[in-house]
Amino acid sequence: DGGITQSPKYLFRKEGQNVTLSCEQNLNHDAMYWYRQDPGQGLRLIYYSQIVNDFQKGDIAEGYSVSREKKESFPLTVTSAQKNPTAFYLCASSIQLGGNQPQHFGDGTRLSIL
Amino acid sequence: GQQLNQSPQSMFIQEGEDVSMNCTSSSIFNTWLWYKQEPGEGPVLLIALYKAGELTSNGRLTAQFGITRKDSFLNISASIPSDVGIYFCAGQLRAFNNDMRFGAGTRLTVKP
Repeated sequence: DGGITQSPKYLFRKEGQNVTLSCEQNLNHDAMYWYRQDPGQGLRLIYYSQIVNDFQKGDIAEGYSVSREKKESFPLTVTSAQKNPTAFYLCASSIQLGGNQPQHFGDGTRLSIL
Repeated sequence: GQQLNQSPQSMFIQEGEDVSMNCTSSSIFNTWLWYKQEPGEGPVLLIALYKAGELTSNGRLTAQFGITRKDSFLNISASIPSDVGIYFCAGQLRAFNNDMRFGAGTRLTVKP
């Protein structure tokens, strides 16, 4: 089945630690995105990538980093510089960045502080 | 970036009732999308709207792209218990997906 797989489902971070969230898609989509979801708020864009080896900051990129070495994969690292990392993180993809192509989401990773 | 104003925040309804929720903004949007999210899962696309005035149905769900392009509504008819979840609107400001704005969601509870 085609889709977007995020792992792990739950992740705990210690003080000063970097953690990496995985996102893999087999939809052959060019564009991928990372969002942060907090209770009572809309999704906020962290980073997005239009194509392999390219990525751009979204609205709340500080304290996060990404890479896009393969079309299928767009991992997100939450660095120790992100002082309030507890949230639900959602990865999404679309056929391309431009045009009216809806985004499709993975099932998310819930990150908590130890 | 500016988020969308989605209302109501939550709804508690009886099975069989109809439901209506909406999203508004001061900005003009190219595209409106409606998603449903269940606990511990990612949002699933329900309906996509691409033209002002467009009315689209998906089973018991109907959504409309407002004529002014600044709002959209979603109706659910004859609700059932599996309709429970959080419904999100999303609007695309320009023809690029990095410019998507999201509502805070409407949490729907359906009592049998």
